[in-house]
Amino acid sequence: GAVVSQHPSRVICKSGTSVKIECRSLDFQATTMFWYRQFPKQSLMLMATSNEGSKATYEQGVEKDKFLINHASLTLSTLTVTSAHPEDSSFYICSASDGRDTEAFFGQGTRLTVV
Amino acid sequence: GQNIDQPTEMTATEGAIVQINCTYQTSGFNGLFWYQQHAGEAPTFLSYNVLDGLEEKGRFSSFLSRSKGYSYLLLKELQMKDSASYLCAVRDSNYQLIWGAGTKLIIKP
Repeated sequence: GAVVSQHPSRVICKSGTSVKIECRSLDFQATTMFWYRQFPKQSLMLMATSNEGSKATYEQGVEKDKFLINHASLTLSTLTVTSAHPEDSSFYICSASDGRDTEAFFGQGTRLTVV
Repeated sequence: GQNIDQPTEMTATEGAIVQINCTYQTSGFNGLFWYQQHAGEAPTFLSYNVLDGLEEKGRFSSFLSRSKGYSYLLLKELQMKDSASYLCAVRDSNYQLIWGAGTKLIIKP
């Protein structure tokens, strides 16, 4: 299957700082990328959907000014958690789709811990 | 609203067979997915059903009934490494994945 690379896999940051997470599709053009958050023992929660070259669509309750998403190219999307707080600590996962009727491919996930 | 239900936890014995059920109510239907997720890792794709019937892939099979809004994942010849969470997801009319809460499967020797 297609490969989606997410980096970093783990990050620890201080409260008030910003953290950038990258999601790259290595062998296909990702017209759409999805960002999820997953708290322990809970299911995946969609945060936002981004299409290349346009603004991301955020789910209800997700602060667009806090979770900045950029999808500047067909192979790269970034999620920046700004002014991170301990409650932002979570597992963040991206997935990418080439827009056809196929599965979405997942990155490896990023474990964010805000101290 | 959109809703996907699956059992929270199941226990089975190594070598046995287990069936994990999933029922859904979504705005539109463009396919149902099953994913496996080990703790701390991203989900990995297991199966995809868009038409009614059974899809078999090795030890894993997945069944879909669109009229009943129902699917199941069947795991045969269970191995200890099958201990994981199994996520049911439906792609809705907007082509977004709606996720179930996941079923934690515990395999005992």
